Amino acid sequence: AQSVAQPEDQVNVAEGNPLTVKCTYSVSGNPYLFWYVQYPNRGLQFLLKYITGDNLVKGSYGFEAEFNKSQTSFHLKKPSALVSDSALYFCAGTGTASKLTFGTGTRLQVTL
Amino acid sequence: GAVVSQHPSWVICKSGTSVKIECRSLDFQATTMFWYRQFPKQSLMLMATSNEGSKATYEQGVEKDKFLINHASLTLSTLTVTSAHPEDSSFYICSGKGQGFRSNEKLFFGSGTQLSVL
Repeated sequence: AQSVAQPEDQVNVAEGNPLTVKCTYSVSGNPYLFWYVQYPNRGLQFLLKYITGDNLVKGSYGFEAEFNKSQTSFHLKKPSALVSDSALYFCAGTGTASKLTFGTGTRLQVTL
Repeated sequence: GAVVSQHPSWVICKSGTSVKIECRSLDFQATTMFWYRQFPKQSLMLMATSNEGSKATYEQGVEKDKFLINHASLTLSTLTVTSAHPEDSSFYICSGKGQGFRSNEKLFFGSGTQLSVL
């Protein structure tokens, strides 16, 4: 069975510092990987995806993610965090099963 | 981007009553609608997949007679929680996929419904 793991429940970072939200995956076949963000009382919003091609994927709001096949990871990154980035972030993935599996989410808290 | 409107945002009901949650795709035709539920501090769990005009496919462990899904049109899908009980209290969220979108490449999510059963 496919799985997606987000090992950190919460990540705290000061505004202006780089941030990383970790994600590892286990899927059959070629992975399709996604990051979503959830603001309070709002639905999930798509940030970025990896389907194929360059391992560094750039997405919305200055976020990027690096696909690492050998480490089966797809960590979300941003060079300089903003307070407004504070939200719940979900990693999701699918392989040949085509059903999307979500991680448990990581709450990002950016402070001044 | 495409928009999925989900209503109600929150609902409180008595045990034994039924609750209907609606998801409408406002600017695209959702050929497939996915329904998820999310418990506190847990991830989204897929409950069922529905294709317009067809019966929904339920995930293992999800009672199809309890969670009735209707996807009668390309712009509307509903989830009815029948005879709700406190253990059904959860956050329910839908996502739509339209024609022309590659498989799972981009899903459009509703804002979710928080159901509380007393």
